[in-house]
Amino acid sequence: AQSVTQPDIHITVSEGASLELRCNYSYGATPYLFWYVQSPGQGLQLLLKYFSGDTLVQGIKGFEAEFKRSQSSFNLRKPSVHWSDAAEYFCAVGSRMEYGNKLVFGAGTILRVKS
Amino acid sequence: DGGITQSPKYLFRKEGQNVTLSCEQNLNHDAMYWYRQDPGQGLRLIYYSQIVNDFQKGDIAEGYSVSREKKESFPLTVTSAQKNPTAFYLCASRSRLSGAGDTGELFFGEGSRLTVL
Repeated sequence: AQSVTQPDIHITVSEGASLELRCNYSYGATPYLFWYVQSPGQGLQLLLKYFSGDTLVQGIKGFEAEFKRSQSSFNLRKPSVHWSDAAEYFCAVGSRMEYGNKLVFGAGTILRVKS
Repeated sequence: DGGITQSPKYLFRKEGQNVTLSCEQNLNHDAMYWYRQDPGQGLRLIYYSQIVNDFQKGDIAEGYSVSREKKESFPLTVTSAQKNPTAFYLCASRSRLSGAGDTGELFFGEGSRLTVL
């Protein structure tokens, strides 16, 4: 069965510092991978996605993520965090080959930004 | 603008009552999904539908029901059989699997928060 692990429940970084949010997945087939961001009381917004090709993908708001098949990881990075990046971040995995194309989500990582 | 509309945004229910959460999309998407979100647990799939008049149970379907009579609408009913219904509910949609160009991205509504009194 598919699963996604986000090891860090909370992360606090200083404004201007770099950020890396970890995501590990378990999936037998070729996955496609997503990072979503959620502000309190809101829906989820897609940051970036990987489905094939270049393993380093660029997203919105200056975020990027790297797919490492050997490590089953898809970590999210940003070189310089802004206070507006404070939110909850979700990693998700899915497959085109599975009926229903359901996405499985990690438990989320809450990012706090200190000034 | 195209998007997904969930209503109501906040809903209060007494124990023993059924409530229905609305989800409407004008993205012309075939597939629609309902997720439940609880703190520290991420999103868990309740029900999903790939086409009109067809839907499948997700991982936590007990105590919930859905219908898909129209492509643009996928209402969720939280029944009195759901033992712990207080949660944030998210509706999502996506275009149907159609080939190499399909990346499976989900588009989400703004959510509905249900509180049982």
